[in-house]
Amino acid sequence: QSVLTQPPSVSGAPGQGVTISCTGSSSNIGTGYDVHWYQQLPGTAPKLLVYGNYNRPSGVPDRFSGSKSGTSASLAITGLQAEDEADYYCQSYDISLSAWVFGGGTKMTVL
Amino acid sequence: EVQLVESGGDLIQPGGSLRLSCAASGFTVTTNYMAWVRQAPGKGLKWVSTLYSGGNTYYADSVKGRFTISRDNSKNTLYLQMNSLRAEDTAVYFCARARTGTTGMYHDYWGRGTLVTVSS
Repeated sequence: QSVLTQPPSVSGAPGQGVTISCTGSSSNIGTGYDVHWYQQLPGTAPKLLVYGNYNRPSGVPDRFSGSKSGTSASLAITGLQAEDEADYYCQSYDISLSAWVFGGGTKMTVL
Repeated sequence: EVQLVESGGDLIQPGGSLRLSCAASGFTVTTNYMAWVRQAPGKGLKWVSTLYSGGNTYYADSVKGRFTISRDNSKNTLYLQMNSLRAEDTAVYFCARARTGTTGMYHDYWGRGTLVTVSS
């Protein structure tokens, strides 16, 4: 089990929106550590999607947005496109484990 | 352009050793934070180790005492020396550049990974 909990899967039709949650605890997200999000297309390396809770690297469409509240964070994807079909991971730091931690990953399917 | 290219993955017997390399270009390994992250077949991402620009090293409990992260300044290359390998170390190992924010560290560039298979 991962320290950060994500739903195993989400899905949506093209053009619709989805939200992926990332639930932590008082030893990671709740302590104030940032949450970051990565997209991993099938058979490829992870790609940074959101850093510092809500910031997007250059080149990432504004259809992707991150937020954080309390011990949880969310990644919202609007205007779903076929190329968004991928695995998505959240990441933070856990002070109790003294370790950088990832969520278990969420497989996003475009119907 | 920032690039990271891992190499050194192989099929190795339990108890054996292996050294992974990550050749960097487009930036200097010495002045950046660098990390190794692994992904077991069909599983999620797991942090393995981080090397600070100042030289401090950090390891996941599962590899502490068995793995060693290091760098070669002249070759602009990051390494992961893996000893006493176990079946559960089987994974694709990614090299990544790490950046620090206000309250946290993220990984902005990743290599394509190298596969390590531990099996007899």
